[in-house]
Amino acid sequence: DQQVKQNSPSLSVQEGRISILNCDYTNSMFDYFLWYKKYPAEGPTFLISISSIKDKNEDGRFTVFLNKSAKHLSLHIVPSQPGDSAVYFCAAEAGTASKLTFGTGTRLQVTL
Amino acid sequence: GAGVSQSPRYKVAKRGQDVALRCDPISGHVSLFWYQQALGQGPEFLTYFQNEAQLDKSGLPSDRFFAERPEGSVSTLKIQRTQQEDSAVYLCASSFNKQETQYFGPGTRLLVL
Repeated sequence: DQQVKQNSPSLSVQEGRISILNCDYTNSMFDYFLWYKKYPAEGPTFLISISSIKDKNEDGRFTVFLNKSAKHLSLHIVPSQPGDSAVYFCAAEAGTASKLTFGTGTRLQVTL
Repeated sequence: GAGVSQSPRYKVAKRGQDVALRCDPISGHVSLFWYQQALGQGPEFLTYFQNEAQLDKSGLPSDRFFAERPEGSVSTLKIQRTQQEDSAVYLCASSFNKQETQYFGPGTRLLVL
């Protein structure tokens, strides 16, 4: 039972354009969401997060949008840079559970 | 600054062998997590410590998996009688306290032959 889903295994975007990565969840108890970036042979690196009381959070080139009614969140990267090429994981947390539930990841390739 | 470190980075084990994976969390971080990441999948939760107390071990796949954090700092994940399906990357994460951002180590890649 995949509670966090990233339906696009890969995405290719030109440098300078917007990258949009999507994530859907099924568990209505999730109230905190995070995006992690992962390079090969490294652990996931925290990127940005959003609480369920908000619908948008911005940090530089990265913005996360949350649509609670649709149980959907997205990560926007503007402008995309070649160094953004990595696997991006969406993760969710429920209340005081602390443990993270991850999606299967989306591989982003930013081309020149 | 020092992040989460894990050792060994790579481990090859024969089926049936016991292995021990070590995690050094960020200094001062109270919470420590272990995750298992199979090829092509996202990390999956194994277990969680608050200081030396193991508060959640619901993700451990079998009683062959055992984790400890005796002094509330370094943690060891032990897998007894390894099986081929145990082959995965084992990730450790720590956070200042529960519900704070989790910071991950580089992982230990375990291959069971």
